[in-house]
Amino acid sequence: NAGVTQTPKFRILKIGQSMTLQCTQDMNHNYMYWYRQDPGMGLKLIYYSVGAGITDKGEVPNGYNVSRSTTEDFPLRLELAAPSQTSVYFCASSYGPWDRGADTQYFGPGTRLTVL
Amino acid sequence: GNSVTQMEGPVTLSEEAFLTINCTYTATGYPSLFWYVQYPGEGLQLLLKATKADDKGSNKGFEATYRKETTSFHLEKGSVQVSDSAVYFCAPRPASGGSYIPTFGRGTSLIVHP
Repeated sequence: NAGVTQTPKFRILKIGQSMTLQCTQDMNHNYMYWYRQDPGMGLKLIYYSVGAGITDKGEVPNGYNVSRSTTEDFPLRLELAAPSQTSVYFCASSYGPWDRGADTQYFGPGTRLTVL
Repeated sequence: GNSVTQMEGPVTLSEEAFLTINCTYTATGYPSLFWYVQYPGEGLQLLLKATKADDKGSNKGFEATYRKETTSFHLEKGSVQVSDSAVYFCAPRPASGGSYIPTFGRGTSLIVHP
């Protein structure tokens, strides 16, 4: 199993550009998540999905969009990049919900995004 | 809502010292409790977890006990190594309410010197 894979690893965008961060998991997990990690600020949840076709907002969804057309893929879209979106982005997945919150989250290696 | 408070870092220790990283939380019901570790340049990975009161999670010499009465899940290790240098995140996860979305603390950076 590759686990959770993310592409690209690094990206520099200009203000106003758009891009899609890719996330794929091969563990047949139902739940998938996108987080951003700013220095010293821990993880903030952007969006999550509890299954194909179902997505919901997290704590900081503004400026982002997601889709979940398959169990495996959960891409994150930035439409108009802004400097405030400079961060490290992590995708994660977990089995859920049958473990009622006891299931482990598996994280990808992250995408480091800089918006100039 | 759910929240978690971790002690501020960085925590700087010499090799073989005793480690405690405090974590307290507020959550509805009886959450599952997790510690994740993030090594430099990597994503988070599970370190240990506990799913009910008085459970002790343990892994790689680290331990944490689910204390319902004090809503705490402090991480401890008796003798740290340089390779333990990383950022540690406490994450309570609700076991009811439908979404089971965890809350992550800010993370505590641990630096271990030889």
